[in-house]
Amino acid sequence: GAVVSQHPSRVICKSGTSVKIECRSLDFQATTMFWYRQFPKQSLMLMATSNEGSKATYEQGVEKDKFLINHASLTLSTLTVTSAHPEDSSFYICSARDRGNVGQPQHFGDGTRLSIL
Amino acid sequence: LAKTTQPISMDSYEGQEVNITCSHNNIATNDYITWYQQFPSQGPRFIIQGYKTKVTNEVASLFIPADRKSSTLSLPRVSLSDTAVYYCLVGGDNQGGKLIFGQGTELSVKP
Repeated sequence: GAVVSQHPSRVICKSGTSVKIECRSLDFQATTMFWYRQFPKQSLMLMATSNEGSKATYEQGVEKDKFLINHASLTLSTLTVTSAHPEDSSFYICSARDRGNVGQPQHFGDGTRLSIL
Repeated sequence: LAKTTQPISMDSYEGQEVNITCSHNNIATNDYITWYQQFPSQGPRFIIQGYKTKVTNEVASLFIPADRKSSTLSLPRVSLSDTAVYYCLVGGDNQGGKLIFGQGTELSVKP
């Protein structure tokens, strides 16, 4: 079945560091991928829509200069948290859907736990 | 995108059937209804998707009335490992299949 892989699964780093998270669709192509953030005991919050070959679309209140998104190929989107601070510590999750199958569900990665010291 | 409303939490016992209902009054004609399961520190896992009437797979059934303003996820004979958060989402192919998560239902299965 459709698989979405995220890497790394966990990151611990110092404040001020920039962190890149990768999201790959392993057995299908995705023109659109989505990035979510989830705080403890809360639901997933959509951050942005990653569009292959064009700029990402950010949800209201999400800083595009803080969370850089690149979708350079049909199987890879990256989220870079620039100059991360402790308040950026969260669980980041991506999702993607097979572009060749209209009506198919989104498939989610297993998330990246980001901890900023 | 249609907003969804679910009970915040539910309790059940092993072996029971669990039904979780979701309201989505503003569902659009082209929207599908999709349910996901999430365990702590994992991404949501697809359970079932439907458009109308009834859909059944190896793990669950999804009941959708004619007006499609609600849906019910049915989990037969739950076990302790079904303890998780269950999300009901509504969306179609607009905006690349964008989905907005509601609060979800935290299901606790007890022995």
